[in-house]
Amino acid sequence: EAEVAQSPRYKITEKSQAVAFWCDPISGHATLYWYRQILGQGPELLVQFQDESVVDDSQLPKDRFSAERLKGVDSTLKIQPAELGDSAMYLCASSPEQGAYNEQFFGPGTRLTVL
Amino acid sequence: DAKTTQPPSMDCAEGRAANLPCNHSTISGNEYVYWYRQIHSQGPQYIIHGLKNNETNEMASLIITEDRKSSTLILPHATLRDTAVYYCIVRTQGSNYKLTFGKGTLLTVNP
Repeated sequence: EAEVAQSPRYKITEKSQAVAFWCDPISGHATLYWYRQILGQGPELLVQFQDESVVDDSQLPKDRFSAERLKGVDSTLKIQPAELGDSAMYLCASSPEQGAYNEQFFGPGTRLTVL
Repeated sequence: DAKTTQPPSMDCAEGRAANLPCNHSTISGNEYVYWYRQIHSQGPQYIIHGLKNNETNEMASLIITEDRKSSTLILPHATLRDTAVYYCIVRTQGSNYKLTFGKGTLLTVNP
């Protein structure tokens, strides 16, 4: 069964350092999402791509976060510089462009710890 | 998207039915009810969705009240592996309409 791949699974960094997360969606899925999940909370959407275009980045802290999906397939989320409050799980999800209900398929996530 | 209200936690005995409630009193006519769950340290997993009719699949049943202001997710025979946080989400159909997660309900299935 096809799955969303994410790497690394765990990342520990010091504040002010740069970090990057990678996501490979299910083949053929045009829509890709990055979510952030703080411990004890539900996931919060950071950015949504349709192919290579950003559809929604209203919740993305643009002073330090950036996301790209250059060829409309895999995607990278970057934080520079990392802050203590960025410690969270970063989840990637994808969904088909056309679908009766556009179910989102989530990857296992990257757990970031900022020291 | 309409907001939802769920109890923070519930317990269920293994083998019994788990009934998870969700209130969405401000739901509008074109909004669907979705349920996802998240097992510890994993990404969320889609369970089921519906508009106004009751729905059933291999994982669960979804019962939506006639006025659509509330719904219940039913796991007919809960197992220990069903222990997870269950999220009830209301959203408009379409690929550009994001999922807005609340805190969900932590369901603990006890042996």
